[in-house]
Amino acid sequence: DVKVTQSSRYLVKRTGEKVFLECVQDMDHENMFWYRQDPGLGLRLIYFSYDVKMKEKGDIPEGYSVSREKKERFSLILESASTNQTSMYLCASSLLASGELFFGEGSRLTVL
Amino acid sequence: GQNIDQPTEMTATEGAIVQINCTYQTSGFNGLFWYQQHAGEAPTFLSYNVLDGLEEKGRFSSFLSRSKGYSYLLLKELQMKDSASYLCAVKGNAGKSTFGDGTTLTVKP
Repeated sequence: DVKVTQSSRYLVKRTGEKVFLECVQDMDHENMFWYRQDPGLGLRLIYFSYDVKMKEKGDIPEGYSVSREKKERFSLILESASTNQTSMYLCASSLLASGELFFGEGSRLTVL
Repeated sequence: GQNIDQPTEMTATEGAIVQINCTYQTSGFNGLFWYQQHAGEAPTFLSYNVLDGLEEKGRFSSFLSRSKGYSYLLLKELQMKDSASYLCAVKGNAGKSTFGDGTTLTVKP
């Protein structure tokens, strides 16, 4: 069965803290994505990666960075968390050919 | 840029048929996805259209008209468990998808 696993379901951090969100997929997918989901704004793409050590900015990359050192793992980093980064973060992966997204369960981040 | 529009909310009755529309204006188009998302859960794949026409899968069908920038998701024989958000997403270049804001469907008895 296809699986995308996000390391933390719920996190509470303070303003200015560094935050790491980890995502692992077991499907040998080339593409991996980080989205954030906010009420009334839908899913917005933060960053994506189509290969190891490759990354591309999405629609809202400001305040975020990513790392992909291994094919199965894609990390989202908030260098200095701010309250407007309180959100649900969804990781997804897909085959390059199909584009069908497989999502993780999500990480709900609260920044105080 | 990408602009994807779908209604915010819809309500329908159990056993009925409902059509959720999606219109898009995008700089690149390589297909259109529909995903279902129950409250508190991750989105899951429902359908994919890359050519014009209707794709049927059980109670769910999806239609695409590329010339009109239009798609719809048709749900037949509605069940209470169909209450969820339905997300329209356009596949652009490099395999990345851009999502609409989603349509929250409430099915009433």
